[in-house]
Amino acid sequence: GQQVMQIPQYQHVQEGEDFTTYCNSSTTLSNIQWYKQRPGGHPVFLIQLVKSGEVKKQKRLTFQFGEAKKNSSLHITATQTTDVGTYFCAGPPGNTPLVFGKGTRLSVIA
Amino acid sequence: DVKVTQSSRYLVKRTGEKVFLECVQDMDHENMFWYRQDPGLGLRLIYFSYDVKMKEKGDIPEGYSVSREKKERFSLILESASTNQTSMYLCASSLGTETTEAFFGQGTRLTVV
Repeated sequence: GQQVMQIPQYQHVQEGEDFTTYCNSSTTLSNIQWYKQRPGGHPVFLIQLVKSGEVKKQKRLTFQFGEAKKNSSLHITATQTTDVGTYFCAGPPGNTPLVFGKGTRLSVIA
Repeated sequence: DVKVTQSSRYLVKRTGEKVFLECVQDMDHENMFWYRQDPGLGLRLIYFSYDVKMKEKGDIPEGYSVSREKKERFSLILESASTNQTSMYLCASSLGTETTEAFFGQGTRLTVV
């Protein structure tokens, strides 16, 4: 079935360092969504990318959707302690519910 | 703001008990979902519903059933709870299927002893 792979599973960074998580789908996605889950919290929607090659920015966060619409990345510049949490990508392979990657857990060392 | 409310934050049940997890959303969303979240396994879809009285199996439906009698309410039922169903359960809703974001409830941490 549809799979969404996400790497790395864990990432520990010093505060101020950059962070990137990657997402790959086994099939073409109509769109890709990114969610953040703080420790003890629930996933919260960050952004959605729809177009091939699309790049969107939210302050220090940069999201990219691959040309083939099968991969995506989230890059955080100069991480802060408030960035701590697990970042999930999710994509609907057609008219089906979101399939989530397993997430990347980010730890930021002050 | 969209609100998705799950009836319990923490729940402890005994093996063999019938367990009901309730989820209510207040934004008139058509779609509702139940996921379970386990360390290292991410979010796995149990059941979903695109309309009242409609339900579809997700990736891991075994041992679970659902009920959607009203648009705003989606219940997850564990017919006979087992210890391997100890997990975090997350309910979500969305307006559409492909192009709209999912809103999650705060989660129910279920422990089966």
